[in-house]
Amino acid sequence: AQKITQTQPGMFVQEKEAVTLDCTYDTSDQSYGLFWYKQPSSGEMIFLIYQGSYDEQNATEGRYSLNFQKARKSANLVISASQLGDSAMYFCAKRRVTRGGNKLTFGTGTQLKVEL
Amino acid sequence: DAGITQSPRHKVTETGTPVTLRCHQTENHRYMYWYRQDPGHGLRLIHYSYGVKDTDKGEVSDGYSVSRSKTEDFLLTLESATSSQTSVYFCAISVGDSFYEQYFGPGTRLTVT
Repeated sequence: AQKITQTQPGMFVQEKEAVTLDCTYDTSDQSYGLFWYKQPSSGEMIFLIYQGSYDEQNATEGRYSLNFQKARKSANLVISASQLGDSAMYFCAKRRVTRGGNKLTFGTGTQLKVEL
Repeated sequence: DAGITQSPRHKVTETGTPVTLRCHQTENHRYMYWYRQDPGHGLRLIHYSYGVKDTDKGEVSDGYSVSRSKTEDFLLTLESATSSQTSVYFCAISVGDSFYEQYFGPGTRLTVT
């Protein structure tokens, strides 16, 4: 079974500081992908960043970067220069390609709170 | 905005009644998914579709059925709702050249009393 582990149920960070949210995964797949989604208190799921297992460079999207360590099976999200609007739940997910497209398995999430 | 709508957005129903949730997309995407979100579990895949009339089960499919008679609509049915099906339900689509990008609808909050 695919398993995604997010060991930090809650995190606090000061505004303008960087923060790392941890994610590890189990897999025997050769080809897979890893996602991070943000879920603010309003409830929508917002796609942040994607890393393919064969991508040589770590993915970056603005203030978000994904620290991908394939041998360790980790895909940590780094948010630089935190803002109050970054306060939300963050989910890591792993993609498995099937005939049904991309089936995602999610972690249980990390609640991030950005403080002044 | 991936053009996904879900209806209803909120519903309260009684145990034993049938319930159908609708996911509608406007851009003819092939792949559609239903997830449920519960505290402590993240999101879990219920069913998915890879084309009209082509559907398959996810990891938590017991008690749910789906149908897709048109590309744009993917319906999730609880044949006889139970309190354990109280949850937030998200529809999603896959887009992009490799269909890896997955975007979610706004969610439906279902309460079974």
